[in-house]
Amino acid sequence: AQSVTQPDIHITVSEGASLELRCNYSYGATPYLFWYVQSPGQGLQLLLKYFSGDTLVQGIKGFEAEFKRSQSSFNLRKPSVHWSDAAEYFCAVGENAGGTSYGKLTFGQGTILTVHP
Amino acid sequence: KAGVTQTPRYLIKTRGQQVTLSCSPISGHRSVSWYQQTPGQGLQFLFEYFSETQRNKGNFPGRFSGRQFSNSRSEMNVSTLELGDSALYLCASSLSGGAQYFGPGTRLTVT
Repeated sequence: AQSVTQPDIHITVSEGASLELRCNYSYGATPYLFWYVQSPGQGLQLLLKYFSGDTLVQGIKGFEAEFKRSQSSFNLRKPSVHWSDAAEYFCAVGENAGGTSYGKLTFGQGTILTVHP
Repeated sequence: KAGVTQTPRYLIKTRGQQVTLSCSPISGHRSVSWYQQTPGQGLQFLFEYFSETQRNKGNFPGRFSGRQFSNSRSEMNVSTLELGDSALYLCASSLSGGAQYFGPGTRLTVT
């Protein structure tokens, strides 16, 4: 069964500092990987996705993530954090059945990001 | 394009009652998935519908059910509500799987 681990429950950074959120997954084949962000009381917004190809993926709001198969990781990065980035971040893995992705995502427990001015 | 919409946004029900939640996907999207989000269990997959057929199901009791209509709109139903069903219920749509786009959720409180 697939699973996702986000080792950091809570991360605090200063505005303008760089950010890296960790994500490790367990999946038998090449996974489909996603990062989502959720503000309090809101739904999830897709930041970026990896299906295949270039292992460095660019997303919205200046975020990027790198797929490392050897480490089963898909860490999210941002070079300079803004106060508006404070939110909860979720890594997710989707099923890859022979090149078809079905609508079932398995999520990590989330990482809460606090940004200090 | 309009995003995923969910109605109602907030709901308060009593134990033993049943509830129906509605989700309208992004235009052109044929897959609708439902998730339950709670502080203790996090985000858990309930089920997915594609072209009016349930294509995938999570590990939830039979009290949780859903359906999809020919216009891709979806409903989920929870019967015999329990206190533990209090949660944020999220609907997500996609073209046929893959990247999913989420609605704002329905906050269900069971008293």
